[in-house]
Amino acid sequence: GAGVSQSPSNKVTEKGKDVELRCDPISGHTALYWYRQSLGQGLEFLIYFQGNSAPDKSGLPSDRFSAERTGGSVSTLTIQRTQQEDSAVYLCASSLVGRGLETQYFGPGTRLLVL
Amino acid sequence: AQTVTQSQPEMSVQEAETVTLSCTYDTSESDYYLFWYKQPPSRQMILVIRQEAYKQQNATENRFSVNFQKAAKSFSLKISDSQLGDAAMYFCAYRSLRDDKIIFGKGTRLHILP
Repeated sequence: GAGVSQSPSNKVTEKGKDVELRCDPISGHTALYWYRQSLGQGLEFLIYFQGNSAPDKSGLPSDRFSAERTGGSVSTLTIQRTQQEDSAVYLCASSLVGRGLETQYFGPGTRLLVL
Repeated sequence: AQTVTQSQPEMSVQEAETVTLSCTYDTSESDYYLFWYKQPPSRQMILVIRQEAYKQQNATENRFSVNFQKAAKSFSLKISDSQLGDAAMYFCAYRSLRDDKIIFGKGTRLHILP
């Protein structure tokens, strides 16, 4: 597709369940980012993939959060044993090589609600 | 660690008027990149303008310009001739050369009054 896509667009789950959020970056983009946007907050960095390098996981808030990127393309963010404080919009972005003045192209986000 | 501060949670401006959104940041690095992103109600984040720290000349993109004051670590966004379509959340962001991570501020919600 022409842009970054994310699925699902909305997800409602029960506390304690696991969820998987998917991101399809722009074809050819080697850099991929996940952010969390809570109500009234800015974008909180979660994880960053750059080509074949080890991902920068420094933003993951707990070991319940993990992400992988298969084949340098699609990425999945997994949240295990979801908690109510995990409710937020999860945004994915990609860019060509992840350097300098490059524009990040964002997806529309997945709105997660944990009941 | 770098931080980005947007001190104005919300602002309003009359259509066709000019508005300035403030952003300050904290860093010990001498070279870095700064960005302003716009997030309309659709949630789709869009790059508005960007600036390299080693360039003293302020970046301009049509009605959008920045006032970059490196010594003061300030990077404000000026929107001229405000239009209804400018209503959105605006995020200031900092990118380090060291690790390429991008740090965002908490945003300023801009309302355009007709």
